[in-house]
Amino acid sequence: GENVEQHPSTLSVQEGDSAVIKCTYSDSASNYFPWYKQELGKGPQLIIDIRSNVGEKKDQRIAVTLNKTAKHFSLHITETQPEDSAVYFCAASLGAGANNLFFGTGTRLTVIP
Amino acid sequence: DGGITQSPKYLFRKEGQNVTLSCEQNLNHDAMYWYRQDPGQGLRLIYYSQIVNDFQKGDIAEGYSVSREKKESFPLTVTSAQKNPTAFYLCASSIRREKLFFGSGTQLSVL
Repeated sequence: GENVEQHPSTLSVQEGDSAVIKCTYSDSASNYFPWYKQELGKGPQLIIDIRSNVGEKKDQRIAVTLNKTAKHFSLHITETQPEDSAVYFCAASLGAGANNLFFGTGTRLTVIP
Repeated sequence: DGGITQSPKYLFRKEGQNVTLSCEQNLNHDAMYWYRQDPGQGLRLIYYSQIVNDFQKGDIAEGYSVSREKKESFPLTVTSAQKNPTAFYLCASSIRREKLFFGSGTQLSVL
């Protein structure tokens, strides 16, 4: 199966700075890469995703980049705000259903006001 | 409001006891999933169902059971065979079999 590694496990940034979270995957057949944000005591929420035929995708302050050759993808958050503080999970999918979705171990982001 | 409702929010299990976690969705999604979340770990798939009256084991199904009698409902039973049940349990449904919508979770603890 797929193996997804996520770094760092914790990240602290000053408000207004940028944050970058990196993930690597093992199976070159993976073709869908979502990112989820989980606030304390809540379920994860999809914030952005990218498919293997695209190298970069942006949505306001967040962006995801994908390097298929190196098998890694990254989440970039610019102009961080305190409400960005949460646990972020990356995932990689081999396709054909969420049962083929494999999650990283999560990054706890703290934005310091 | 459309969404996924999990109950209860907190649940305590005595040794040897079976407990059932509820999951209801009104999103009209065909597929539903149960994940287990332990501190410092990613989400691990317990069971999933792509259609009513059908379900498959995920990566860590031992000690758990499910049913899918209605499209809206996918309850999870943690049986006494699950020796380490303390965890945060998340139910999800999906559209286009990829984008997951999660409930708010149930924290299960052992007394």
